[in-house]
Amino acid sequence: GAVVSQHPSWVICKSGTSVKIECRSLDFQATTMFWYRQFPKQSLMLMATSNEGSKATYEQGVEKDKFLINHASLTLSTLTVTSAHPEDSSFYICSATRGWINQPQHFGDGTRLSIL
Amino acid sequence: GIQVEQSPPDLILQEGANSTLRCNFSDSVNNLQWFHQNPWGQLINLFYIPSGTKQNGRLSATTVATERYSLLYISSSQTTDSGVYFCAVGDGAGGTSYGKLTFGQGTILTVHP
Repeated sequence: GAVVSQHPSWVICKSGTSVKIECRSLDFQATTMFWYRQFPKQSLMLMATSNEGSKATYEQGVEKDKFLINHASLTLSTLTVTSAHPEDSSFYICSATRGWINQPQHFGDGTRLSIL
Repeated sequence: GIQVEQSPPDLILQEGANSTLRCNFSDSVNNLQWFHQNPWGQLINLFYIPSGTKQNGRLSATTVATERYSLLYISSSQTTDSGVYFCAVGDGAGGTSYGKLTFGQGTILTVHP
């Protein structure tokens, strides 16, 4: 089946640090990848849609200068949390789809980000 | 945007019991997926079921797209079934966010031995 790898799985860093999270589709080409955020005891909320070779589309209320997304190839999207602060601490999870019509999304295992 | 409601919000079962989880959505969908999120946060894809019925072992799901709901059935529940069950739908809206999923609030299932 389709496999999506997300790295790192856990990050603890100081306030002000920038953190990069990678999302890779291992066995298929992902024209579209998505980034979600989940706070404790809440559901997943879409942050942005990442299309290969074009700028990401951000959901309302998500700061594009804070959360930089790059989708440079059909198998890799990265999310960089710039100058992270404690309120950015959350569980970040990516997904990928082949982009064809009516295709399921395949999710990575998530990254738990803790900013001290 | 599309609204997704799941019920019940919490469910406590004894091992061996059966249960039904419901997902209502407010508009037509071209994608519906059921997930189980384990205690480590991993989302396990249970079903891709925008319409029809599917079964996988003790789990089965039915989506009635015309009536805008989906049901997840768990039979002979086990303690390892505990966790949060999410329903997520895609409404096929166009543009650069095509294919995005909207998640329900989830059902927290606890199965006691």
